Amino acid sequence: QPVLTQSPSASASLGASVKLTCTLSSGHSTYPIAWHQQQPEKGPRFLMRVSGDGSHTKGDGIPDRFSGSISGADRYLTISSLQSEDEADYYCQTWGTGIRVFGGGTKLTVL
Amino acid sequence: QVQLVESGGGLVNPGGSLRLSCAASGFTFSDYYISWIRQAPGKGLEWVSYITSSGRGIFYTYYADSVKGRFTISRDNAKNSLYLEMNSLRPEDTAVYYCAKEGRGLSPVDYWGQGALVTVSS
Repeated sequence: QPVLTQSPSASASLGASVKLTCTLSSGHSTYPIAWHQQQPEKGPRFLMRVSGDGSHTKGDGIPDRFSGSISGADRYLTISSLQSEDEADYYCQTWGTGIRVFGGGTKLTVL
Repeated sequence: QVQLVESGGGLVNPGGSLRLSCAASGFTFSDYYISWIRQAPGKGLEWVSYITSSGRGIFYTYYADSVKGRFTISRDNAKNSLYLEMNSLRPEDTAVYYCAKEGRGLSPVDYWGQGALVTVSS
């Protein structure tokens, strides 16, 4: 079963860019993942799916400031032109028959 | 517009039972896999269970090890509804439970409900 590893926290300044990382465990480096955002006191929201070839498909209404990419077993979420409302927890997810797996989440602080 | 609305949460004693419901609208419910995902207070997301779409009237259910044998997921396509029957509840089952729609085929969650709080405590 795949394991997803995320750094617990990240920070960046208003208007800057930030790149969050989700690392797939050994033997699972080709798995696709999804990114979800959870703003304080709200339910999660689907941001995008990032496929094993690096292409990504975003959810409804997700701004162009959000993009996804990959490098080996690492999956990235890049947020550019950071806004205050981007301060949130970000979770990666992967899936297979019979399993669904979430990373531990990264808490993003916008300075 | 996709909507998922959970109900049935509340306070229950350890060892007790509770049934969550999720009312879906805005999409062809029967065509999609649906998951239950939970979040303990101050913690991350944990997948609980999912049920496949019922092609030819057959559907399959899967569970996390932490709930296997205690929780049962089911769906009623005629009512556009998903259920989670929770038995032998433990304090560690205390969480917000989210109903979540998945994309076509093997896909991630693409829509979330607002969640229902389940508290297991005496």
